[in-house]
Amino acid sequence: RKEVEQDPGPFNVPEGATVAFNCTYSNSASQSFFWYRQDCRKEPKLLMSVYSSGNEDGRFTAQLNRASQYISLLIRDSKLSDSATYLCVVNSGGGSNYKLTFGKGTLLTVNP
Amino acid sequence: NAGVMQNPRHLVRRRGQEARLRCSPMKGHSHVYWYRQLPEEGLKFMVYLQKENIIDESGMPKERFSAEFPKEGPSILRIQQVVRGDSAAYFCASSIQDDTEAFFGQGTRLTVV
Repeated sequence: RKEVEQDPGPFNVPEGATVAFNCTYSNSASQSFFWYRQDCRKEPKLLMSVYSSGNEDGRFTAQLNRASQYISLLIRDSKLSDSATYLCVVNSGGGSNYKLTFGKGTLLTVNP
Repeated sequence: NAGVMQNPRHLVRRRGQEARLRCSPMKGHSHVYWYRQLPEEGLKFMVYLQKENIIDESGMPKERFSAEFPKEGPSILRIQQVVRGDSAAYFCASSIQDDTEAFFGQGTRLTVV
């Protein structure tokens, strides 16, 4: 089983659509979880951290299920500017966040 | 406040040459990390450095790769005798502490011909 596995994508959705990304991780010792966004040939940027209680930031909602080792990201009312690759990221375990494990990413294209 | 600066952005090397990739962390950041992104793959952790110290190099290939973060100047990732399989995007990130958000540079795209 891969350390971090994401929906293969790509996702093509119209503006205004709701889209959900799923991710599973294999290291049960992981304590920190994130969604990053990476535009084409650019650096990854932190989109949001993911907490057990679930968290929301505007149109973005992240959920974590530790028992199933599953993370999700929901984007509501998608915009053209949301087009990017979304990376599921977990830390390797322990208190520090430096050793991040990235999924391959899911490409999202939002169409007019 | 400038972000993490990496140079060069693009680097072409012939097989057998050396590649030197530079990374200047954000101001006030003393923790530096290097990641590699092979084509069609996710980013993979390589090494974690603080000033003059390698903290964790568990993701570094055992041969030909080395990294440093001297007291003065940028962090350097050095690849000796490059091979085609070294072609990848190499990203540097920095943070204030090892448990705070790491900010990534724009990467150096290495092509070995």
